Amino acid sequence: KAGVTQTPRYLIKTRGQQVTLSCSPISGHRSVSWYQQTPGQGLQFLFEYFSETQRNKGNFPGRFSGRQFSNSRSEMNVSTLELGDSALYLCASRLAPGTGELFFGEGSRLTVL
Amino acid sequence: ILNVEQSPQSLHVQEGDSTNFTCSFPSSNFYALHWYRWETAKSPEALFVMTLNGDEKKKGRISATLNTKEGYSYLYIKGSQPEDSATYLCALPPFGNEKLTFGTGTRLTIIP
Repeated sequence: KAGVTQTPRYLIKTRGQQVTLSCSPISGHRSVSWYQQTPGQGLQFLFEYFSETQRNKGNFPGRFSGRQFSNSRSEMNVSTLELGDSALYLCASRLAPGTGELFFGEGSRLTVL
Repeated sequence: ILNVEQSPQSLHVQEGDSTNFTCSFPSSNFYALHWYRWETAKSPEALFVMTLNGDEKKKGRISATLNTKEGYSYLYIKGSQPEDSATYLCALPPFGNEKLTFGTGTRLTIIP
């Protein structure tokens, strides 16, 4: 079956702009999590959605937001971009929160100039 | 805040040699431990999810053990091959919480 799909794979934005990233989970998976990877940092948890509801949120400013649709697809949005937002954003899906391994997408590489 | 530590940070191993590395975590309120392999330009891939003290899991040449009482897990690779070159991540959910906290990983390079 198809894996987790993230779009776009690469994008370049300038400071102050906003960006929306998309994630389509594996069919049947209703939980979607988002992580940020920056050089020297581990994967930092952003948020997790299940059944269109945010279940958990990491320690990120309110500029980072997300949502989940009825088909389990998820989007995350970063407003007023800063240089430090340059990172690889990974999406992962699983059947439900707390139910075992995460299945990751290949990520969206965001560069903020 | 859950503190997950991995050591060493990086490792170079000759092809054919065996190796192991460690994931350390607070022993109190343990729920589960995940191991992931992340190859360059690919997405992280789950290796194991372990929940019981004393658990041992194996997938081919890779195996893992878990000691929840002392708060560590070992990942072993037997007879390293070039395709084992990757970053190995461990992750745990804080007790009563579903989100995963990742360690910073062990970057393994296999020297042909």
